[in-house]
Amino acid sequence: QKEVEQDPGPLSVPEGAIVSLNCTYSNSAFQYFMWYRQYSRKGPELLMYTYSSGNKEDGRFTAQVDKSSKYISLFIRDSQPSDSATYLCAMRETQGGSEKLVFGKGTKLTVNP
Amino acid sequence: DAGVIQSPRHEVTEMGQEVTLRCKPISGHDYLFWYRQTMMRGLELLIYFNNNVPIDDSGMPEDRFSAKMPNASFSTLKIQPSEPRDSAVYFCASRWTGGAYEQYFGPGTRLTVT
Repeated sequence: QKEVEQDPGPLSVPEGAIVSLNCTYSNSAFQYFMWYRQYSRKGPELLMYTYSSGNKEDGRFTAQVDKSSKYISLFIRDSQPSDSATYLCAMRETQGGSEKLVFGKGTKLTVNP
Repeated sequence: DAGVIQSPRHEVTEMGQEVTLRCKPISGHDYLFWYRQTMMRGLELLIYFNNNVPIDDSGMPEDRFSAKMPNASFSTLKIQPSEPRDSAVYFCASRWTGGAYEQYFGPGTRLTVT
């Protein structure tokens, strides 16, 4: 079993739809959870992060972490064509230890006008 | 700030040749990371440095790969000899200890080995 599993999609939705992206993981030591957005032929950029369990909201984006189920989600409300990108989840263990981020393979999202 | 700078942006080479990828991290950042991204394996950490010292190179696939960081503003990733299976996009990223844990990625080098 890979440490981080992510459905690669692709996912195609109409503009204005609610998008749900998910990852599962196996390493219970992961404490920091991140979502990166990667536009075509660009480097990934950090979109959101959460520490341990719970929800975090930033504008149209909401990140959720359920450590009991080893499951994280990113929700995008009122999706826009500019949200079309590949979304990668990433995780790391506690701060002060290894700096290693473990990434999911990414989900390619297309928002159609 | 110019962000993380990588060169070249594209590299096409023949099997057996030496390839050198270059990275300039964001000024003031004390961590530097090298990643490789392929469709099959996704984004994988190869090696990372802290204050120019290699900390974890467990992701380096084999002895053909080597990385150096001679100073705080420059790092290289070298593949010698290159093989077709090394074809991928190689990213460099950097971050600052005091800035939590966000890693800032460069635009990547697309390597094709024929």
